[in-house]
Amino acid sequence: EVQLVESGGGLVQPGGSLRLSCAATGFPFSAYALHWVRQAPGKGLEHISGITNNGDFTFYADSVKDRFTISRDNSKSTVYLQLGSLRTEDTATYYCTRLNTQYCTAARCFASFWFDPWGQGTPVIVSS
Amino acid sequence: DIQLTQSPSFLSASVGDRVTITCRPSQDTASFLAWYQQKPGKAPKLLIYAASTLESGVPSRFSGSESGAEFTLTISSLQPEDSATYFCQQLNVYPFTFGPGTKVEIK
Repeated sequence: EVQLVESGGGLVQPGGSLRLSCAATGFPFSAYALHWVRQAPGKGLEHISGITNNGDFTFYADSVKDRFTISRDNSKSTVYLQLGSLRTEDTATYYCTRLNTQYCTAARCFASFWFDPWGQGTPVIVSS
Repeated sequence: DIQLTQSPSFLSASVGDRVTITCRPSQDTASFLAWYQQKPGKAPKLLIYAASTLESGVPSRFSGSESGAEFTLTISSLQPEDSATYFCQQLNVYPFTFGPGTKVEIK
């Protein structure tokens, strides 16, 4: 079964740090880019970070740039998100998800992009 | 960033009704658009990718389409288990932004 399982969330004070982990099973981890999406309580979804399959390219949303760091260990099938200089507005459930890049019919393959699967999410609460 | 405008933000419909949700991007997204369903306390679930391709295992009452600069998610016959919030997402340009969501309630 293809699965992503996040861990590492919790309560942290403003200015603090936290490292989130996302362990993958059921697919060739080193073949896929992985991304993080967060959702503040009662709010929508925000794409905040991503990393290519071999780690040579990373993406950060402006809201987390220079504070969060994404990394991966393909030998452990795990992607990490290091959260630093945390603010109350970083309070959210953090999801990791896999980026898919093509689909195939009987006739041919097509390039496209979508997020699937998603982990169950790990909550981060930034509060004093 | 590409902004996605979803409408309506809320809808209430009866079992068996045909329901349509629209998503309009502020810029071209090619057909790199996906739809997700999210129930309270759960992770989003993929329904549609590439604007109109139904994810494996998703009921056929869900469909996606594209017309001009507008994308549509249709539920042909609303079921009780479809009560959820639905999000569109563009994956053409970083960040891969999401629409604000449409909450679907069963009357």
